[in-house]
Amino acid sequence: EAGVTQFPSHSVIEKGQTVTLRCDPISGHDNLYWYRRVMGKEIKFLLHFVKESKQDESGMPNNRFLAERTGGTYSTLKVQPAELEDSGVYFCASSPLIGGNTEAFFGQGTRLTVV
Amino acid sequence: GNSVTQMEGPVTLSEEAFLTINCTYTATGYPSLFWYVQYPGEGLQLLLKATKADDKGSNKGFEATYRKETTSFHLEKGSVQVSDSAVYFCALSAGYSSASKIIFGSGTRLSIRP
Repeated sequence: EAGVTQFPSHSVIEKGQTVTLRCDPISGHDNLYWYRRVMGKEIKFLLHFVKESKQDESGMPNNRFLAERTGGTYSTLKVQPAELEDSGVYFCASSPLIGGNTEAFFGQGTRLTVV
Repeated sequence: GNSVTQMEGPVTLSEEAFLTINCTYTATGYPSLFWYVQYPGEGLQLLLKATKADDKGSNKGFEATYRKETTSFHLEKGSVQVSDSAVYFCALSAGYSSASKIIFGSGTRLSIRP
C-alpha cells in the first residue's frame, strides 16, 4: 500500500513567487494534516482537513497560505506570494477517521527554500 | 496551552553507548505521547507511543515511559547503533480521537560514531 506522498520533494523559488505543494494521503484516510518545520525548530501544526472540510486552520500563519482538498482526496497548499520566512520543510500526514488515538502517517516532506 | 520541550541537540555518541533524550510536556487532560523519528532522506515515522500514565512504549530497542507525576516521556536505548542516527521528535496528542492534531518538540539530532 502506498504511503503519504508529497510533491515536490524540494522547491527553490524567489521571494514574491507562488509555490503549490501537493499531498496525496493514504487511500481511505479522511483526516489530512499539514505541518511545517522552520529553521530546525519544532514541527508546527498548520491545518487539519476532515474529508474536504477544514476542521482546524488555527495554525495557518497568514492569508498568503491557502490550503484546499477538493473531493476529499489529495490536498494542495499554496503560498502566494512567498516570503523568506516561509522557508522550511512542509509535512503532510493522514489518518483514518475512527475513534481512538490512532497513528498519523507522515510523508517525506517538501523542503521549500525562498531566496 | 499544550507544549513539548525536549533536549537540545545535536547529540553525538559512540556506537554501543547508552542514550537518553529528555522530553517533558505540558497538557490539559490525558494526552497520548509519542516519539517520532526522521532518518536521513525519509519522512517522519512513529517510533513508539504511550497512551496513559505508566505505560511503556518500546520499539527497535528504544523505550519511553509515560510519567504523569513528572510530566516526562524520556527516550532511552541501552546500546545505540550507527543506523540510529536520525532526528528524534517528542510529541503529544491531547484529543480523544484520531482527529487530534499532534504537538511536536523541536527535535534532537542524534549522530552515532562507529
